[in-house]
Amino acid sequence: DSGVTQTPKHLITATGQRVTLRCSPRSGDLSVYWYQQSLDQGLQFLIHYYNGEERAKGNILERFSAQQFPDLHSELNLSSLELGDSALYFCASSVAPSGVNTGELFFGEGSRLTVL
Amino acid sequence: DQQVKQNSPSLSVQEGRISILNCDYTNSMFDYFLWYKKYPAEGPTFLISISSIKDKNEDGRFTVFLNKSAKHLSLHIVPSQPGDSAVYFCAACGTQGGSEKLVFGKGTKLTVNP
Repeated sequence: DSGVTQTPKHLITATGQRVTLRCSPRSGDLSVYWYQQSLDQGLQFLIHYYNGEERAKGNILERFSAQQFPDLHSELNLSSLELGDSALYFCASSVAPSGVNTGELFFGEGSRLTVL
Repeated sequence: DQQVKQNSPSLSVQEGRISILNCDYTNSMFDYFLWYKKYPAEGPTFLISISSIKDKNEDGRFTVFLNKSAKHLSLHIVPSQPGDSAVYFCAACGTQGGSEKLVFGKGTKLTVNP
């Protein structure tokens, strides 16, 4: 158990819909990262939040947005969903000071999104 | 542009033998390299890392080798055990243009046969 909690574990929805994925980082971790893993693809970095502020952005579509709340949990919002958005979405947290990404992340179990 | 490449999608070895997983990278700005292990229905788990100032790091049965001139790293597992069967992701970390980047490869599925 990494200590990172993601909900829901599975989600099935239709094209054009909007969903919200939730992540609770490990206790004490200030950084939250979101990654997308599509079929046969590696982990694609989406976005990094540190202590409530956006720290870095990766290949995140404009239809996607995220935020980190004062209690440090984070939500990833995916809207106008397309078939190609079907993927595993991982959240990870890190204890690294000042939000520096040392690469040593603790991943949740992921949220599997299926868009039909 | 795939900056971190794991060219072998899968690898099968016999229990007790050595497993060698390879990874190549293209960007010289990477200065820290990591391996993650992922079991089905679980998130990736950090396994071992190496700084670019070193060429070898060992942790029990796991050793990571870095060849900076070739932009190549490898993970050696000796001896391999059936419980090592998982997908292994190589990752590279560095700062470019003031922005930190952590880039993952596509993974290699290791199967250790009893």
